[in-house]
Amino acid sequence: AQSVTQPDIHITVSEGASLELRCNYSYGATPYLFWYVQSPGQGLQLLLKYFSGDTLVQGIKGFEAEFKRSQSSFNLRKPSVHWSDAAEYFCAVGGSSGGYNKLIFGAGTRLAVHP
Amino acid sequence: GAVVSQHPSWVICKSGTSVKIECRSLDFQATTMFWYRQFPKQSLMLMATSNEGSKATYEQGVEKDKFLINHASLTLSTLTVTSAHPEDSSFYICSARDWTDRDTQYFGPGTRLTVL
Repeated sequence: AQSVTQPDIHITVSEGASLELRCNYSYGATPYLFWYVQSPGQGLQLLLKYFSGDTLVQGIKGFEAEFKRSQSSFNLRKPSVHWSDAAEYFCAVGGSSGGYNKLIFGAGTRLAVHP
Repeated sequence: GAVVSQHPSWVICKSGTSVKIECRSLDFQATTMFWYRQFPKQSLMLMATSNEGSKATYEQGVEKDKFLINHASLTLSTLTVTSAHPEDSSFYICSARDWTDRDTQYFGPGTRLTVL
């Protein structure tokens, strides 16, 4: 079955600290992988995406993610977190297997940033 | 990146009335748009896939007569919540698929619906 798991429901970090949000997926075909961020009461903003090629992808706002096929993971990282990064982060997988390239979302990880 | 708008951003209506929500892709054409529903502190639940010029495809458990979807042009899809009830109160988000960008979905800002 196709699924996305974000093991951490809630994470708290100090401003300036590094961050890693975990994402594991199960997908029957070649996956397209995405990270989105959602601020309270807002829609989702695309942070980065992976389709093929270099397994380390750079995104907006200083985020990066690494695709590891052997671990079925696509973890999101940021070397130094800013207070404005506090938000909900969603990992999603899509691709040709889903029909109309539907996305399957993880449950999300809520990030809190301490000053 | 591609921009998707939604209107209205919030709406309050009386029980039994109908509400229409618009989703527009502003700088690209979208043959496919998606409608999601999000409950507080939860992930997104896909309601339906909207295809330009054809009938929408609804996910299991979503009442198609309750949530009417029309995708009349390559930049506009509408979701009409008919005979709304308080349990329909939710945050509705649309996304548009950019076929020129490997089918990446870009999301609108969402619409908060409150049914009294």
